[in-house]
Amino acid sequence: DQQVKQNSPSLSVQEGRISILNCDYTNSMFDYFLWYKKYPAEGPTFLISISSIKDKNEDGRFTVFLNKSAKHLSLHIVPSQPGDSAVYFCAAVTQGAQKLVFGQGTRLTINP
Amino acid sequence: KAGVTQTPRYLIKTRGQQVTLSCSPISGHRSVSWYQQTPGQGLQFLFEYFSETQRNKGNFPGRFSGRQFSNSRSEMNVSTLELGDSALYLCASSVGTHSQETQYFGPGTRLLVL
Repeated sequence: DQQVKQNSPSLSVQEGRISILNCDYTNSMFDYFLWYKKYPAEGPTFLISISSIKDKNEDGRFTVFLNKSAKHLSLHIVPSQPGDSAVYFCAAVTQGAQKLVFGQGTRLTINP
Repeated sequence: KAGVTQTPRYLIKTRGQQVTLSCSPISGHRSVSWYQQTPGQGLQFLFEYFSETQRNKGNFPGRFSGRQFSNSRSEMNVSTLELGDSALYLCASSVGTHSQETQYFGPGTRLLVL
C-alpha cells in the first residue's frame, strides 16, 4: 500500500528552466510534507517543507505547493541548475508520529 | 553545528552474522529514527527513539532492534543477517517535541551481506 506516490521515475529539464516534481498521497492524516534531495550513497538532504495548514511555501529557488483536496503536492525549482541533478523524494508525516513515509523518488537531470 | 554522524560507513557481513550500527544525532536533538533504503522497497521506516524509549515502530521483523542512550546516541542491531538485509541504513535526528519537525539525515551505513 503505497501511501505516497511519485509517479514520474525521471525528469529531464534544460538548465535555466523550471523543474516541477509531483507527489500524490492517499492518507488524509498526513499533516506535514517534506522534500529531500539525495545523491547516491549519501543521506537525503532536506530542501523544503510545508504544513497542511498552508498551500504554499517558498525558499529561494524552491517552492512547494500543497493541494489538500486533491491530495497532491509539487516542488518547483526555478531556475534549474546543473547541481540540482539528483533524486528527489517527497515525504509525509502523520499527525503525532515522528515517522516519514517516502515516495519512490524522481531522478531529476538538468541538461546544460 | 555538526550534522548527524553514522559509523561505520561501510560494512560487509555474511549470512547468519549480526551487525550493530551507530548514530550520533545533531546536538540538542532527542529523537533518532532509522530507515532502510533498498532499490526494490525504497526508503522505509524502521523505528524511532526518543528519550531512550522506542516511540514508533515500522513493519520489520524482530531481528531488527535498536536502543538509545542517555546522550541521545542510538544503535541499531540486526541479528541473523539475510541476503535481503543488504541496504543503505540511514539515521535521522530531530528535536522530537512534535511531529511537524524536519528530520536531518546522516550519510548512512552501506551494509552488504554475502
